[in-house]
Amino acid sequence: DTAVSQTPKYLVTQMGNDKSIKCEQNLGHDTMYWYKQDSKKFLKIMFSYNNKELIINETVPNRFSPKSPDKAHLNLHINSLELGDSAVYFCASSQGGGPSLPGELFFGEGSRLTVL
Amino acid sequence: DQQVKQNSPSLSVQEGRISILNCDYTNSMFDYFLWYKKYPAEGPTFLISISSIKDKNEDGRFTVFLNKSAKHLSLHIVPSQPGDSAVYFCAATGNNDMRFGAGTRLTVKP
Repeated sequence: DTAVSQTPKYLVTQMGNDKSIKCEQNLGHDTMYWYKQDSKKFLKIMFSYNNKELIINETVPNRFSPKSPDKAHLNLHINSLELGDSAVYFCASSQGGGPSLPGELFFGEGSRLTVL
Repeated sequence: DQQVKQNSPSLSVQEGRISILNCDYTNSMFDYFLWYKKYPAEGPTFLISISSIKDKNEDGRFTVFLNKSAKHLSLHIVPSQPGDSAVYFCAATGNNDMRFGAGTRLTVKP
């Protein structure tokens, strides 16, 4: 019974396309996140979202947008995909918190996006 | 800007010996530190954490040490087991920010 699940695990697409990655958590957590693991393997936060506040990392292009239909879901939409968007994207959740939190993050398995 | 650095991309240790993974940070506003473990094709999972008011936290075979003056923390695993083979990420939080290191791949040889 996966706590944080994201789909698809692998996504290969052409430059210029629009795609989405879905994330669901069944932990009852308040806050969800999207992280990008870049080519140098750093995990960098893109968004954090609870039901009241969306915090966007200012370095994230506006082609990326999070959509949260409810507390248990935070989907990532990407418009006009570029080669540099190729990466592994991790969804995560936590109880309370924001980008800085004393507790722990629960991560999904990751979604590997390849833009050709 | 790499505010959290793990300078060793990989580490190989014999089973039963101690594994020491190191992490350095530059931002003095960080006040809570975490280690995550990641197996291939899985997301990172929380391992152990330490608050800046402490200099040591122990949980079974895992101990994290914090040296605030040096802005350095380390994860000790003893005794190391083959199942510990994974990528270990150091993370630091504070001032509404959280940063991860690039990870260290630990290989424990039988």
